[in-house]
This record gives sequence, structure tokens and C-alpha cells, in this order.
Amino acid sequence: GAGVSQTPSNKVTEKGKYVELRCDPISGHTALYWYRQSLGQGPEFLIYFQGTGAADDSGLPNDRFFAVRPEGSVSTLKIQRTERGDSAVYLCASSLSPGKNGEAFFGQGTRLTVV
Amino acid sequence: GQSLEQPSEVTAVEGAIVQINCTYQTSGFYGLSWYQQHDGGAPTFLSYNALDGLEETGRFSSFLSRSDSYGYLLLQELQMKDSASYFCAVRARGGGNKLTFGTGTQLKVEL
Repeated sequence: GAGVSQTPSNKVTEKGKYVELRCDPISGHTALYWYRQSLGQGPEFLIYFQGTGAADDSGLPNDRFFAVRPEGSVSTLKIQRTERGDSAVYLCASSLSPGKNGEAFFGQGTRLTVV
Repeated sequence: GQSLEQPSEVTAVEGAIVQINCTYQTSGFYGLSWYQQHDGGAPTFLSYNALDGLEETGRFSSFLSRSDSYGYLLLQELQMKDSASYFCAVRARGGGNKLTFGTGTQLKVEL
């Protein structure tokens, strides 16, 4: 596709459930990033993939959060035992090169609501 | 760690010029990016400064002073469609394009 695609666009889940959020980056982009954005705040870094491997997962808040990118393209962010505090917009971004010009292309995000 | 400060809100009239400031504290600074985000939309890249000075892209310009840990985004000939949130974001060494974002400045353009 032309841009970063994230599915679903909206997800409502019950506290304690497991959710998976999908990101399909721009074709050919080797770097992929997950961010989380709460209302009125800037995006908060979660994890960065270079190819298939997680180059930096320092932003994952705890071990309930996990992300994979098995073939170096599509990535899935997985959240176990969801809590109401996990409610936010989860943004995925990709870039052509990991080291160039501060530009990343963002998807529209998945709005996660935990009830 | 990193921290960034920017004004929470700025209001200006159509056709005017507005400057959004950003100060940052970080270790291993590599560059400063600016992103625009409309309500409900994706953040969109505007500009990036790695070196001191002014970068101009159409109506938008961005400035960086590394010695002052300070940058700004300058928007000229404001249009109603420029009403959005604007984020500065620090890129630090070793993190690819991993960015640490500020809390954002909401720009309201009025007639």
C-alpha cells in the first residue's frame, strides 16, 4: 500500500483480555516503530525493530506488552491481561533507513479502549 | 533521559506568522524533528534539523541551536488548515529514528 496501515482502527476490549494490534509498514521500510499516544500528549516510544529483530524495546511498560516482526515486514503488538490504563491510541511508524533525517511515516493508529 | 518543553497552545490569525518554540534536555542528541498532527490523524513529518541554523520548506521553516538546546518551527502565511497540534521530537544517538516527543503545541488559526 501507499502508506502505513494499521488494523483494527478501533478496538474495545474488556479488562483482562488479550489483544493484538497489527501494523503493515510501507514496502521496503526496514525500520518499524510502535508508539502509544494518550489524549493531549505526544507519542510515547514503545519499541523499535530493525528488520526482524527488536533493536530497542526500552519503552515497553511491562511484560504484558510484546511485539513481533517475524518476516521483517508486518508487525504485531500484543497486550496480555489488558488494564484500563492501557487505553490509548497505538501508533505504528516505519522509515526507509534507520539513520536518516528524523523522518518516520506514521499510520492512523489503533484506538484501544479497555472497559 | 530526555525531556522537551513547548507551549501548550498558540493562537494566531490567518495570514500571520507564528513561531513555536521547543527546548530540550537530552544525552546523545542527534537532531530535532517537527511533526504536525490534525485531530484524529496521523503525525506527519514536517522538518528535521541536525545542524545549527534554519531549514526552509515552503511556508514552514525550522531552526536549531545545539548550544542552547533550543529550536523553533516558524509557520508563515497561516491558513485555516494549519490548525493542528505540532510536536517537536528529539532523535538521540543509537536509536535509529526512535523519537522522543514533546507534549505538543495546539495551534488555532482564526479568521
